[in-house]
Amino acid sequence: SYELTQPPSVSVSPGQTASITCSGDNLGDKYVCWYQQKPGQSPVLIIYEDIKRPSGIPERFSGANSGNTATLTVGGTQAMDEADYYCQAWDTNTVVFGGGTKLTVL
Amino acid sequence: EVQLVQSGAEVKKAGESLKISCKASGYSFTRHWIVWVRQMPGKGLEEMGIIYPDDSDTRYSPSFRGQVTISVDKAISTAYLHWRTLKTSDTAKYFCAKTMVSGPVGAFDMWGQGTVVTVSS
Repeated sequence: SYELTQPPSVSVSPGQTASITCSGDNLGDKYVCWYQQKPGQSPVLIIYEDIKRPSGIPERFSGANSGNTATLTVGGTQAMDEADYYCQAWDTNTVVFGGGTKLTVL
Repeated sequence: EVQLVQSGAEVKKAGESLKISCKASGYSFTRHWIVWVRQMPGKGLEEMGIIYPDDSDTRYSPSFRGQVTISVDKAISTAYLHWRTLKTSDTAKYFCAKTMVSGPVGAFDMWGQGTVVTVSS
C-alpha cells in the first residue's frame, strides 16, 4: 500500500521559516494537501492541490510538490502555528495520510 | 454555512454495537465523498473508508474492512459509522470529512467536530 512519510517533529524559532516534508513514491505525480490540527480540535485544511490556500489561511503557509517530496513551508512562524501537520494524497481511490509532524515554536 | 455535525461521545463495553453519525448541511450532500477517519489517543489520522452518498459507493481501507460499516441516509443528509462488535482497541476519536470536489480525489475541506468513543472491558 502507498505510504507517506513525515518527520515526527520540527522545531522553529518565532519569526523563522519552518519546512515540513512529506515523502512518497512519485508523490509529485499526485496532488498533495496539508492539514493543521491543534490539540483537541479537528484538522483544518491549509493547502490543497500542492500549492493552493483555502480562503482565510494566512499567506505565510505555502506548499510545493516535486519528485518524491512535498513540502509545507511556514514563513515567519508564529506561536499560534504550533500544531500537528498532516499531509494527504490519494492513491488508486484510497486516501493516504502521512504520520504527522509536530511543529514546535521555541 | 457548510457544516458536518457529529453525534456525541459514547462510552460502551467490549462486544457491544455502536453507530455514530455525521449530519451534513449547507452543501449538496450527495455530490461529495465523505471519509471517516480514526485518531487514536496521541496518534495520527487513519482513513477508515469513504462513501459517495449519491449511490452509496463505499471503499474501505484494508485495515478496517470487515471491522466497520459505513452508510448514508440521503433523506436526512447523514453518514454513519457502525460497529457490530466493539473492541477496547476501538477507543479513539472519529472524524468525518467531505471532499472539496465531487470526485474521489483532492482535499477534505470541512471536518466534523469528532466523536470520542471509549470502549471498556
